Amino acid sequence: SQTIHQWPATLVQPVGSPLSLECTVEGTSNPNLYWYRQAAGRGLQLLFYSVGIGQISSEVPQNLSASRPQDRQFILSSKKLLLSDSGFYLCAWDSGLGADTQYFGPGTRLTVL
Amino acid sequence: KNEVEQSPQNLTAQEGEFITINCSYSVGISALHWLQQHPGGGIVSLFMLSSGKKKHGRLIATINIQEKHSSLHITASHPRDSAVYICAVRSYTNFGNEKLTFGTGTRLTIIP
Repeated sequence: SQTIHQWPATLVQPVGSPLSLECTVEGTSNPNLYWYRQAAGRGLQLLFYSVGIGQISSEVPQNLSASRPQDRQFILSSKKLLLSDSGFYLCAWDSGLGADTQYFGPGTRLTVL
Repeated sequence: KNEVEQSPQNLTAQEGEFITINCSYSVGISALHWLQQHPGGGIVSLFMLSSGKKKHGRLIATINIQEKHSSLHITASHPRDSAVYICAVRSYTNFGNEKLTFGTGTRLTIIP
């Protein structure tokens, strides 16, 4: 069966520090991978998606970046965190165009102080 | 105006009541999802709809493509149904890939 992992579960970082959140998927090949952010009191916002290794598309301009070094690994990074980067970050995968379900990881709660 | 609007934002009901949550969208879509987010943050996909109606247990989801509207119904509501329910529409990006756009969610609280 397919599973999706994220770590860490919670993170508290100072402003200006770097960030690396990792997401891995098991039990499937060549998934579409997604990073979402849910700010307090707001809906989910798509940040990045990837249809294959090294292929990253960004939906919104920001100081975050994403990388996909392996088929089932998706990394969200920042060189210098801002206060506004605080939120709940969710990784998700689906099987591609027309997929009827998108599967979400457990999320990482990031607090930038 | 958001591309996906949900109503109500908050809903409190007594156990056993029939619940309706609404979702309206303004873009062309290939499908619509209903998701459930529990207090800890975990998200579960409930339904994917492109037309008509789907039922799973006490949950029923309907969609009217012409009116760009979907509803999620819960029959015989129970306290364990308390969660945030999120509507998301699947549409195409400028790159030709699909993406999900989310509503801000409806916080449902069922009182015993």
